[in-house]
Amino acid sequence: DQQVKQNSPSLSVQEGRISILNCDYTNSMFDYFLWYKKYPAEGPTFLISISSIKDKNEDGRFTVFLNKSAKHLSLHIVPSQPGDSAVYFCAGGSSSNTGKLIFGQGTTLQVKP
Amino acid sequence: NAGVMQNPRHLVRRRGQEARLRCSPMKGHSHVYWYRQLPEEGLKFMVYLQKENIIDESGMPKERFSAEFPKEGPSILRIQQVVRGDSAAYFCASSPAMRAQETQYFGPGTRLLVL
Repeated sequence: DQQVKQNSPSLSVQEGRISILNCDYTNSMFDYFLWYKKYPAEGPTFLISISSIKDKNEDGRFTVFLNKSAKHLSLHIVPSQPGDSAVYFCAGGSSSNTGKLIFGQGTTLQVKP
Repeated sequence: NAGVMQNPRHLVRRRGQEARLRCSPMKGHSHVYWYRQLPEEGLKFMVYLQKENIIDESGMPKERFSAEFPKEGPSILRIQQVVRGDSAAYFCASSPAMRAQETQYFGPGTRLLVL
């Protein structure tokens, strides 16, 4: 049962353009979501989060949008930089649960100079 | 402020041996989570511990796997009688408290290879 899905395994964008990474979920109990970035041979690095009471959260070049009715969230990176090339994971969590996160499969972003 | 520490970073074991993975949470963090990432997959939750307590082990395989977080020292994930299918990256994450929507911070991982 894949509760969090990232249907695009990879994405390639040009430097300076917008990167949009998508994530769908099925578990209605999720009330917060996080995005992590991961480089090879390193651990995931926290990027940005959003609570289900919001539909948007912004931090610098990163913005996360949440559409609860569609059970869909997206991460926008503007402008994209070559250093953003990494694997991006979205994860859902439930405050009524023990805090464990359910991760998607990840999307590999390549930003071309 | 040191981040989450994990050691060893790489571990090679032969089938049937034991693997011990260690995790020291960030300073001030008392909650530890273990996740496993198989090749080409996302991270899968294994276990959540507080000091001296296992809070949620719903993601742990029923046999051969155990975890502890003693009062003193790091959290340990132990895999007995390893098999090739245990080869994966094991990540530890920590958070300061069990508050709603608390961010988890990850360590660099231990890459286990079973020959």
